[in-house]
Amino acid sequence: AQTVTQSQPEMSVQEAETVTLSCTYDTSENNYYLFWYKQPPSRQMILVIRQEAYKQQNATENRFSVNFQKAAKSFSLKISDSQLGDTAMYFCAFTDKLYGQNFVFGPGTRLSVLP
Amino acid sequence: KAGVTQTPRYLIKTRGQQVTLSCSPISGHRSVSWYQQTPGQGLQFLFEYFSETQRNKGNFPGRFSGRQFSNSRSEMNVSTLELGDSALYLCASSFGTDTDTQYFGPGTRLTVL
Repeated sequence: AQTVTQSQPEMSVQEAETVTLSCTYDTSENNYYLFWYKQPPSRQMILVIRQEAYKQQNATENRFSVNFQKAAKSFSLKISDSQLGDTAMYFCAFTDKLYGQNFVFGPGTRLSVLP
Repeated sequence: KAGVTQTPRYLIKTRGQQVTLSCSPISGHRSVSWYQQTPGQGLQFLFEYFSETQRNKGNFPGRFSGRQFSNSRSEMNVSTLELGDSALYLCASSFGTDTDTQYFGPGTRLTVL
């Protein structure tokens, strides 16, 4: 079974600084998709970034970028120029296309951006 | 384009009762997935419906069931509620291809007393 691990339950960062959230996963599949979702205190889950395993290039969305290391099964999220609005729970998620829409989520990292 | 909507947003029930939650997906999306979120267990997949058929199912007891209508709206039902069913129930919709991205609704907070 696929598993997703986020080893940092809580993190904090000063506004305008850079922070990296870690995620590792376990799968025997070669084709899969990885996501970072953000859940602010209002509870609406929001897609932050997505990475296809077959793509070598790391995905980037504005201030958010990933470091995808397929061999190491690692998928970290870097947030640059952190803003107060980035305060949220961040979930790393995995889906194996063989299993349709059955996302496996990590336990989450609570990120606090400090003024 | 309107996002995923869930009703009701909050529910309070007592043990032994049953409850039905509703989810309206983004227009054009044919897949609806349901998740249970609790502080102890995190986000756990319940089931996914695609074109009115259950396509995937997680490891939850039979008290948890769902269905999907022809307009892709989905309902989730929990019978014989237990205290441990207290959770935030999230639904997510997508076009339904294996490589698709899910978009989540705001959730329904269920409290079982």
